[in-house]
Amino acid sequence: AQSVAQPEDQVNVAEGNPLTVKCTYSVSGNPYLFWYVQYPNRGLQFLLKYITGDNLVKGSYGFEAEFNKSQTSFHLKKPSALVSDSALYFCAVRDRDTGRRALTFGSGTRLQVQP
Amino acid sequence: EPEVTQTPSHQVTQMGQEVILRCVPISNHLYFYWYRQILGQKVEFLVSFYNNEISEKSEIFDDQFSVERPDGSNFTLKIRSTKLEDSAMYFCASSYQGYEQYFGPGTRLTVT
Repeated sequence: AQSVAQPEDQVNVAEGNPLTVKCTYSVSGNPYLFWYVQYPNRGLQFLLKYITGDNLVKGSYGFEAEFNKSQTSFHLKKPSALVSDSALYFCAVRDRDTGRRALTFGSGTRLQVQP
Repeated sequence: EPEVTQTPSHQVTQMGQEVILRCVPISNHLYFYWYRQILGQKVEFLVSFYNNEISEKSEIFDDQFSVERPDGSNFTLKIRSTKLEDSAMYFCASSYQGYEQYFGPGTRLTVT
């Protein structure tokens, strides 16, 4: 079985400061990992993915994430937060080795960026 | 930029009624999915569809649910006899090679 944990329900950060949204995962094989963002009354918007290769992946809107196999983590980061980054962020995993395409999502972390 | 679209945005139905939720995936995508999110809970996988057949389904996707791609562009989710616990936001998604999935804005289903 695969699972994702997002330990923080909410993260508060001041505009201009770096932000980190945490994610840990569990799969029986090797993971494909994803971050999505949800703005109010909108669907899930793809931000970035880790498939293989470089552990630091870069995505949309200046976001990046670091894959750490030993810690089974895939934390989302941004060097300088914007007020417009305030939204709900979801981490998701898929097991690369089973061939299943179903994504398993975390419970989400609400990011609040204060001006 | 191509997007996944879903209609209606909000559907209210009475318990026991049939509902059909509609989606238009991105045109060159090959894999199609339905997920749902009950208020305050995680996004949950329901079903995936490839090459005109179901390729994977979850325990939630029982005999009350069905999917169809009737005309090469639309992708539908039918719930035959709705229950109160079917009230949720239903998201359609599509992908090209099966890596990142692109989601629609969702249909909020309210069963009364």
